[in-house]
Amino acid sequence: EVQLLESGGGLVQPGGSLRLSCAVSGVTFSRFAMNWVRQAPGKGLEWVSAISGKGDDIHYVDSAKGRFIISRDNSKNTLFLQMNNLRVEDTAIYFCAKARAVLFDYFDSWGQGTLVTVSS
Amino acid sequence: IQLTQSPSTLSASVGDRVTITCRATGSTGPWLAWYQQKPGKAPKLLIYTASTLESGVPPRFSGSGSGPEFTLTISSLQPDDFATYYCQQYNSFSPWTFGQGTKVEIK
Repeated sequence: EVQLLESGGGLVQPGGSLRLSCAVSGVTFSRFAMNWVRQAPGKGLEWVSAISGKGDDIHYVDSAKGRFIISRDNSKNTLFLQMNNLRVEDTAIYFCAKARAVLFDYFDSWGQGTLVTVSS
Repeated sequence: IQLTQSPSTLSASVGDRVTITCRATGSTGPWLAWYQQKPGKAPKLLIYTASTLESGVPPRFSGSGSGPEFTLTISSLQPDDFATYYCQQYNSFSPWTFGQGTKVEIK
């Protein structure tokens, strides 16, 4: 059974930084693309970033470009999201999600999410 | 590509047939998925490639369409189905967008 467990969320001031992690088990991690998806309080889902299995193909939503960095450590089965220059509008639950197979694919497994609150 | 779901909210009773529509502003091909989300929980994959049922998902759920309009149908609504549903496109030419969601409420 695939399991994804996010951590690293918390309260941060505007302009601050936070690093999220997603530990993955039950699957050969390096074979699959991974994603971050967020959900602002009471709002819908927004895809944030994606990374290929090897880490050599990366994509971001426009609002994250230049501020967020997605990465992965395949030796530790862990996905990361480094978030810099955080804004109030980045406040959300951040989910990691596994792609079914290739990079441009739907998401077949999700973590439970970690809450990021950006506030002064 | 932007996705617009209708309706935004749907009130229905147990046993009702329910249909949710997802309309795309561009070409998605068949690369559309549907998810169910309950309060405080992660989304759950229901359908992919517009009409393929994910393993373990009850057959009362079905998807159809080929772009730009897709539908999710629940043939006989069950108590466990009251939730919010999202469509998602995953076309490689316009990565990963979600519809705004459709909340299915108890009538």
